[in-house]
Amino acid sequence: QKEVEQDPGPLSVPEGAIVSLNCTYSNSAFQYFMWYRQYSRKGPELLMYTYSSGNKEDGRFTAQVDKSSKYISLFIRDSQPSDSATYLCARPTYSGNTPLVFGKGTRLSVIA
Amino acid sequence: ETGVTQTPRHLVMGMTNKKSLKCEQHLGHNAMYWYKQSAKKPLELMFVYSLEERVENNSVPSRFSPECPNSSHLFLHLHTLQPEDSALYLCASSQDPAGTSGNTIYFGEGSWLTVV
Repeated sequence: QKEVEQDPGPLSVPEGAIVSLNCTYSNSAFQYFMWYRQYSRKGPELLMYTYSSGNKEDGRFTAQVDKSSKYISLFIRDSQPSDSATYLCARPTYSGNTPLVFGKGTRLSVIA
Repeated sequence: ETGVTQTPRHLVMGMTNKKSLKCEQHLGHNAMYWYKQSAKKPLELMFVYSLEERVENNSVPSRFSPECPNSSHLFLHLHTLQPEDSALYLCASSQDPAGTSGNTIYFGEGSWLTVV
């Protein structure tokens, strides 16, 4: 199964910047996507769960799906050094014995 | 603190050693997973247990041997590993049996393995 395509970075931004993290997918039938955040030397944790029908906002984080271009994005407003982590997008499989397929992750560094 | 606990967090072993990684989930989930995470590679699914039954072995070498004694515990037994097996090994669980769409995967903190 083809994983979601994700630029591994690293991406380095100054504190306060707006960050855009992106993934592309191939099958327009996917109905939901997830973003996970992984701090250094920790396991991934679920950050946001978004349906393909629209955007979802949670504090400084916004997840967006563009079905026409098969693009999913995670925006971080007013980025903080504590946002420095690797961000992984994931898509459903609808088959087999694992519910999700993950991208390689994008490493983000927010510089104070 | 996640609902999935892994021990040990760090492990250094020689190529002739035998060791085990342990995972316990406190979430009442029905599926458990082992993933391998190496630098610059996506998460690699290794094994899936659903309702305590192994349902997937993703072409993993026999030097890795999983065990699931009950729905809350999962082990990964390691034997005669190679240096290229050095990686972060992540245990995870999900509420519904494996293969159910809409499942969210919850990860443990991982066990860092170094093979020397």
